Amino acid sequence: DAGVIQSPRHEVTEMGQEVTLRCKPISGHNSLFWYRQTMMRGLELLIYFNNNVPIDDSGMPEDRFSAKMPNASFSTLKIQPSEPRDSAVYFCASSRDRSAGGEETQYFGPGTRLLVL
Amino acid sequence: SQQGEEDPQALSIQEGENATMNCSYKTSINNLQWYRQNSGRGLVHLILIRSNEREKHSGRLRVTLDTSKKSSSLLITASRAADTASYFCATETNTNAGKSTFGDGTTLTVKP
Repeated sequence: DAGVIQSPRHEVTEMGQEVTLRCKPISGHNSLFWYRQTMMRGLELLIYFNNNVPIDDSGMPEDRFSAKMPNASFSTLKIQPSEPRDSAVYFCASSRDRSAGGEETQYFGPGTRLLVL
Repeated sequence: SQQGEEDPQALSIQEGENATMNCSYKTSINNLQWYRQNSGRGLVHLILIRSNEREKHSGRLRVTLDTSKKSSSLLITASRAADTASYFCATETNTNAGKSTFGDGTTLTVKP
């Protein structure tokens, strides 16, 4: 199993530009989580999906952030327009559905390191 | 405020010594998990302990849970330089099943 795949691994962009981060969860996992990690705020949950449906997006900081999960094997996190304070490492994680006999363990991707100038 | 808070924020020990990290939380939990993060990498799951369990072992790791004190500890025995990493606790509550809240982490440095 390739694990959770994220792309790009690094992104440098200028303020005002649109940024799209991508995630492919582990096959068979139907819960997907987007996190943001910074030195100041630590690891923050932005949004999570279950069976492609957003369950909790209370962590999404502003309307500039949006996330989609069009199918079980792909999700995007978009920032438009981006700002310097969005600079962080963005992680995607996936887990199996508990109701389907899965477990609570989340498997993290390697992260996307975003720098907004 | 954070549901889970680790203590200490940073810990530096010599190889071979034991390392103990603590996690305190505020509300009742379903389970508590410990994760490890090497610099520049994603988090890796180490161990999960459920609210009805008091202690679990996995290799050189020992986790305890005291629900009366709302706290957990992670003990790494006979530490190695390769154990150098940040360690996070994550809690799942009854009202947020399926969603874990992470603490700020403890940065462990093991000197060879």
